[in-house]
Amino acid sequence: SQQGEEDPQALSIQEGENATMNCSYKTSINNLQWYRQNSGRGLVHLILIRSNEREKHSGRLRVTLDTSKKSSSLLITASRAADTASYFCATGRTGGYNKLIFGAGTRLAVHP
Amino acid sequence: DTAVSQTPKYLVTQMGNDKSIKCEQNLGHDTMYWYKQDSKKFLKIMFSYNNKELIINETVPNRFSPKSPDKAHLNLHINSLELGDSAVYFCASSQATGDYGYTFGSGTRLTVV
Repeated sequence: SQQGEEDPQALSIQEGENATMNCSYKTSINNLQWYRQNSGRGLVHLILIRSNEREKHSGRLRVTLDTSKKSSSLLITASRAADTASYFCATGRTGGYNKLIFGAGTRLAVHP
Repeated sequence: DTAVSQTPKYLVTQMGNDKSIKCEQNLGHDTMYWYKQDSKKFLKIMFSYNNKELIINETVPNRFSPKSPDKAHLNLHINSLELGDSAVYFCASSQATGDYGYTFGSGTRLTVV
């Protein structure tokens, strides 16, 4: 079964606007990760936030994590047409070997 | 240099056939995975190997058999292919434990006709 639920399923914005995607999960986690998938391509790791962290930045990306609400958000600032892709959150479980469980993804379209 | 490479990229085959997908990583990672992405883009883990040892085996029909000859290679063999096996199969690798991201291959689009 899927661990994460992502919201919205699809998002359409203009270049220069900010895009916010949300992810909720069900069980305890070690970390939460965000990936990008361009059409017809593999997934690319964007950013990882540990369960004891609340916010993390990488370039135009800002990720927040609220473990009490079991939710995370990904903010892309000043979006570009090249940001058009599907974005997935994935949770890393507690203990043992790495095992990522993916959410259903948000399809982001950035229009020039 | 491609970090995680899968072959073939596309595979079209008839129901009932047996096919294999190969994956190789040159990152020195200990762990490799197979994921299946369906037509709705849901990604589901199938198998994981750590240093040639099977460590994750999700509820997958036993027509699917992974094989890892060494920690840099993980292959997926599928017997008696069915229409429902049509999907994109992704190989990935990572460090075994700790907070690390995965590196994914570009996927193999399997179409069963």
